[in-house]
Amino acid sequence: EPEVTQTPSHQVTQMGQEVILRCVPISNHLYFYWYRQILGQKVEFLVSFYNNEISEKSEIFDDQFSVERPDGSNFTLKIRSTKLEDSAMYFCASGRDRRSGELFFGEGSRLTVL
Amino acid sequence: EDQVTQSPEALRLQEGESSSLNCSYTVSGLRGLFWYRQDPGKGPEFLFTLYSAGEEKEKERLKATLTKKESFLHITAPKPEDSATYLCAVGRNTDKLIFGTGTRLQVFP
Repeated sequence: EPEVTQTPSHQVTQMGQEVILRCVPISNHLYFYWYRQILGQKVEFLVSFYNNEISEKSEIFDDQFSVERPDGSNFTLKIRSTKLEDSAMYFCASGRDRRSGELFFGEGSRLTVL
Repeated sequence: EDQVTQSPEALRLQEGESSSLNCSYTVSGLRGLFWYRQDPGKGPEFLFTLYSAGEEKEKERLKATLTKKESFLHITAPKPEDSATYLCAVGRNTDKLIFGTGTRLQVFP
């Protein structure tokens, strides 16, 4: 069964460093997302991406964040200068359509900022 | 402001003991209500979409229902493998899903 894969599974970084989290969505999906979950808190929307551009972003997704789909398979989230409060589990998700809410999530990348 | 509240926070059941989880929501222009299951250390796994009040969906031991203000996830004769956190989310006419904090279900043999 096709699945969303994410790398790395865990990354530890120093405050102020740049981090890139990588995702390979399901191949025939058109909509791509990043969500994050701070330990013990809700899953929160960061950004959605469709047709090679951002279609929606949350207040969390400020200028320190960017997303890219550099080729036909990878989807990346970059955090330019990490802060302590960026420590969280970051989930990539993909979907066939917008309406159904049927998102396929990866297993997540745990980011720890020291 | 859009809000999703789930109760209870945690639920412990004996195997075979049926129960219900609640998701109450406040959202303008509901596009759909979604149930997901999340196992520890994993990403959420899609279960159901409900679009309008009165709608019901079933999958194995799970049944989801929707009213204008809340949704219930009924678990009939649960098994230990049903242990997980169950997440409710709502969507408006935007891309983002707004998740609740979830109900952590433990089913004991």
